[in-house]
Amino acid sequence: DTGVSQDPRHKITKRGQNVTFRCDPISEHNRLYWYRQTLGQGPEFLTYFQNEAQLEKSRLLSDRFSAERPKGSFSTLEIQRTEQGDSAMYLCASSFTQSSYEQYFGPGTRLTVT
Amino acid sequence: DQQVKQNSPSLSVQEGRISILNCDYTNSMFDYFLWYKKYPAEGPTFLISISSIKDKNEDGRFTVFLNKSAKHLSLHIVPSQPGDSAVYFCAASEGSNFGNEKLTFGTGTRLTIIP
Repeated sequence: DTGVSQDPRHKITKRGQNVTFRCDPISEHNRLYWYRQTLGQGPEFLTYFQNEAQLEKSRLLSDRFSAERPKGSFSTLEIQRTEQGDSAMYLCASSFTQSSYEQYFGPGTRLTVT
Repeated sequence: DQQVKQNSPSLSVQEGRISILNCDYTNSMFDYFLWYKKYPAEGPTFLISISSIKDKNEDGRFTVFLNKSAKHLSLHIVPSQPGDSAVYFCAASEGSNFGNEKLTFGTGTRLTIIP
């Protein structure tokens, strides 16, 4: 079990550019979650998938954000026309529906928009 | 509105003593609570959890207490060790028949263990 992995670990981009992050969950986990964490705050829920179906999206997820999990395995989170307020740590987590409520987090992708 | 609150941004404890981290919540629909530990440049690591049908759960040096009437939970670490120095997040879930749901996190408490 290699745990949840995220790529890249760091991304610096200029305002207005598009960025895409990838998350690979623990292999047997059918649920995948995206959270965002800013300085001094706890992680905030963005969206989650069960297999390939996106079941819930937060109001934080503006129309510039889109997430996919095409084959129910890895997921991508894309931010279009980035703004400085998008600078944050983007965390991915996975879990198995039939187990308890614990979610297992990856190391995160730190996005800096200049 | 902050549904999960950790009112102490930081806490310092002598090595070997007990560390007590507190968390309050406002949403009565929360029925499962978790504590996560986070080191710099890493994602949160699951530590311990408790269902709302219990008032205590213990795992080694870590014990979580839940007081539903007060909407309060606490994490006790005893004895505290230098490796426990980290940021601790309290999280809560409304749960469902389908299993785990999104987590709502507090703002965290930075614990420093003094050797």
